[in-house]
This record gives sequence, structure tokens and C-alpha cells, in this order.
Amino acid sequence: DVKVTQSSRYLVKRTGEKVFLECVQDMDHENMFWYRQDPGLGLRLIYFSYDVKMKEKGDIPEGYSVSREKKERFSLILESASTNQTSMYLCASSFGGTSRREAFFGQGTRLTVV
Amino acid sequence: QKEVEQDPGPLSVPEGAIVSLNCTYSNSAFQYFMWYRQYSRKGPELLMYTYSSGNKEDGRFTAQVDKSSKYISLFIRDSQPSDSATYLCAMGGRGSSNTGKLIFGQGTTLQVKP
Repeated sequence: DVKVTQSSRYLVKRTGEKVFLECVQDMDHENMFWYRQDPGLGLRLIYFSYDVKMKEKGDIPEGYSVSREKKERFSLILESASTNQTSMYLCASSFGGTSRREAFFGQGTRLTVV
Repeated sequence: QKEVEQDPGPLSVPEGAIVSLNCTYSNSAFQYFMWYRQYSRKGPELLMYTYSSGNKEDGRFTAQVDKSSKYISLFIRDSQPSDSATYLCAMGGRGSSNTGKLIFGQGTTLQVKP
């Protein structure tokens, strides 16, 4: 079974803190993604990575950065957390190329910024 | 206009009913179609994956893709209370820059009443 593991299920952070969300996958997937999910807005792509050290901005990258130093690990960084970044954060991974496109998700991190 | 349209519901049905969930899309380059199920406070899990047009069946679930109408459906037979969840459609292909990015619908919330 594919496993995508996010480091925390629930996090509470203060405004202005630097926040790290970690994600690890065990399927040797090339692609990794960070989404946030908010009621009424659906899943929105923050950043994705198609290879080690490679990244591309998604639809809502402002206020976020990412790091991918190893193939299995993709980190999302909130440089200075703000209350409007309170959300459910979802990591996903998938194979590269064009053979298969389905993405597998982690269990999610519910982040609250106070 | 959004690339993928999905009625958010909520949809409420009695146990045993046949459920039909649908998405429409505008980008004719999409070739990969998926359905995810998401329980409250959990990450989405992959239910069905279809490449190009046609039907795919897995137990009580049937996925249909009609590329000529740009319309995909998920049917659930003999629905159970445990099917109560949010169902997300997703799609990708050359239209999503060939990097593995998926475009998600907003999700339909389904409640199956005993």
C-alpha cells in the first residue's frame, strides 16, 4: 500500500511563528504536492515538486515556501504564520511521466494560527 | 468558468439507494479521471481511476467517463451509511502541463441515512 505520512495531525501556532509541515512518501514517487482545503473553496494547490530540488508554484503560493532535498520528503514552510493560514493542509504524491496520474494523499494536518 | 464543475450538495439518500455523482469539465485535453472519497477530518482516498473514456466497475462503485460530453459520473449501488462522505472528482492530462498536476472538483457531500 502507498503510504503518505504527514508529521502532525493537529498543530496550533502563534501569529508570526515559522511553521514547518513535513510529508514523507514511501512509493518512490517523483511528484509531490501541497494543498490547502477550506470549506467552500475546495482543494487549492500551493506548491508542487516533480523532482528533488525542483518546485513550481501552484495557485496560492503567497506566504509559503517548500523544500525537497530528498525524493521521499517534501516540506511546506509558513515563513510567518498568519490567522488566514488556518486551514487543513494535505500532502500528496504521484508517479512522474504519463503512465499513471493518480495522487495519494496523507491524512492531513489541521493547522490553527492564533 | 472553472475547469471542473461539481455540485457541492449536500445530497441525502436513504440506505440502499443508487447514488449518482457527477462532474463536468471544459478542457478536452484531460485524459485521466479519478474519484476520491474523503471522510470528515481525513485525507482523500482514491476510489476509482479511469484513463480516457469508458466504464470501470469495482464492487458497488462504477465510474463512467464520456469525453464527448466532457462529463464523468460515479455510481454507488446499494448505498450504505458508511458511504457518507465527501466525494471529489479529479482529472489531469496534457491540459495540466503534463507535470502530474490534477484539477479537482469542489466535492459533493453525501449522506446516506439508515
